[in-house]
Amino acid sequence: EAGVVQSPRYKIIEKKQPVAFWCNPISGHNTLYWYLQNLGQGPELLIRYENEEAVDDSQLPKDRFSAERLKGVDSTLKIQPAELGDSAVYLCASSLGGASNTGELFFGEGSRLTVL
Amino acid sequence: DAKTTQPTSMDCAEGRAANLPCNHSTISGNEYVYWYRQIHSQGPQYIIHGLKNNETNEMASLIITEDRKSSTLILPHATLRDTAVYYCIVSSIQGAQKLVFGQGTRLTINP
Repeated sequence: EAGVVQSPRYKIIEKKQPVAFWCNPISGHNTLYWYLQNLGQGPELLIRYENEEAVDDSQLPKDRFSAERLKGVDSTLKIQPAELGDSAVYLCASSLGGASNTGELFFGEGSRLTVL
Repeated sequence: DAKTTQPTSMDCAEGRAANLPCNHSTISGNEYVYWYRQIHSQGPQYIIHGLKNNETNEMASLIITEDRKSSTLILPHATLRDTAVYYCIVSSIQGAQKLVFGQGTRLTINP
């Protein structure tokens, strides 16, 4: 069974440019997460979806970050415009939702963003 | 969610058991102990979780003290591929939808 798929793996952009990351979760997983990981730190939650609804976006910087999960499957995370401080790894994870939730999250390999 | 304290780094010889401690003295009755690990350039990987009983799976064993204020993750026969950052997280099942990762323990397995 395929795991969580993310693309691109690596992205280098100039500051003020837009960037988008894509995530395809494990089939049947209703819950999808986007995490941010700075160098040497643990991942930090940006947003969590239950199906197509964003149920926790309190940590998402809404002035420049946006996310969507149309049809409750794939998701896209966008940054516009990017700043130097956005250089990090963006991780997507999925899990069974609702009553099936055990706290076991499945992570993708991440998208490493470098802003010059 | 309760906060955890882990050593910043540890070393272990290949083939020996790696014992990773975690303190969670403020854990609540409905909170589980989760362990994840992150190998370099990969996303975190779930290892094991438990409430109060010791747990074992194909990857590791989790030993939780009777008062639940601390736990130990045991990798019984560490290999070089176990070199990673290990995160101990305490959360309720409901709160597990928003796992809060600390800085973890960087475990290095030496040949």
